[in-house]
Amino acid sequence: SQQGEEDPQALSIQEGENATMNCSYKTSINNLQWYRQNSGRGLVHLILIRSNEREKHSGRLRVTLDTSKKSSSLLITASRAADTASYFCATHKTDTGNQFYFGTGTSLTVIP
Amino acid sequence: SAVISQKPSRDICQRGTSLTIQCQVDSQVTMMFWYRQQPGQSLTLIATANQGSEATYESGFVIDKFPISRPNLTFSTLTVSNMSPEDSSIYLCSVAGLAGGWDTQYFGPGTRLTVL
Repeated sequence: SQQGEEDPQALSIQEGENATMNCSYKTSINNLQWYRQNSGRGLVHLILIRSNEREKHSGRLRVTLDTSKKSSSLLITASRAADTASYFCATHKTDTGNQFYFGTGTSLTVIP
Repeated sequence: SAVISQKPSRDICQRGTSLTIQCQVDSQVTMMFWYRQQPGQSLTLIATANQGSEATYESGFVIDKFPISRPNLTFSTLTVSNMSPEDSSIYLCSVAGLAGGWDTQYFGPGTRLTVL
């Protein structure tokens, strides 16, 4: 399977703390993306990092990418209760078509 | 971004029956995808819906079980045929090729299917 692995599977933190999620993948990629899914809803795109980038910021989100280790991390700073959701990484490659592969997901709970 | 709607939002079906799920986008898109998400699991790509040609299926998914139509650039359907309880999942459509470029997918709200 080309699906990525995420850890931890579940994470519970207090409001105001930082949350870090990790994603590992198996193949070469064009870019890696992070999505959020609130319970029972569709996925929302959060941020994209290209294979030639090492770090990217968007608001309270910070994403890193290490292509040599085939891994990425998502950091959410100063977490809020509204950040409670499942977070998925997705790798994107285009050399054999336009293919997206989603990781196993991290379930984040932010306790008010 | 795009507004993507799915119908039905949920359904409970009997074993052996079929259900057709509709995905409507408010703008023309080149690429549409269908995913399955089993309870508590990640997303698995079923197929890419191609306008004007047959869908491209991923390993483990076949046209007889999951026929897909894509009559135009704003609409697609996925049928789950001859259902069994193992087909109970959330089915999601997504699109790519909008203002965010080919890299970004936008998802519909999903269809929650329960097969008894």
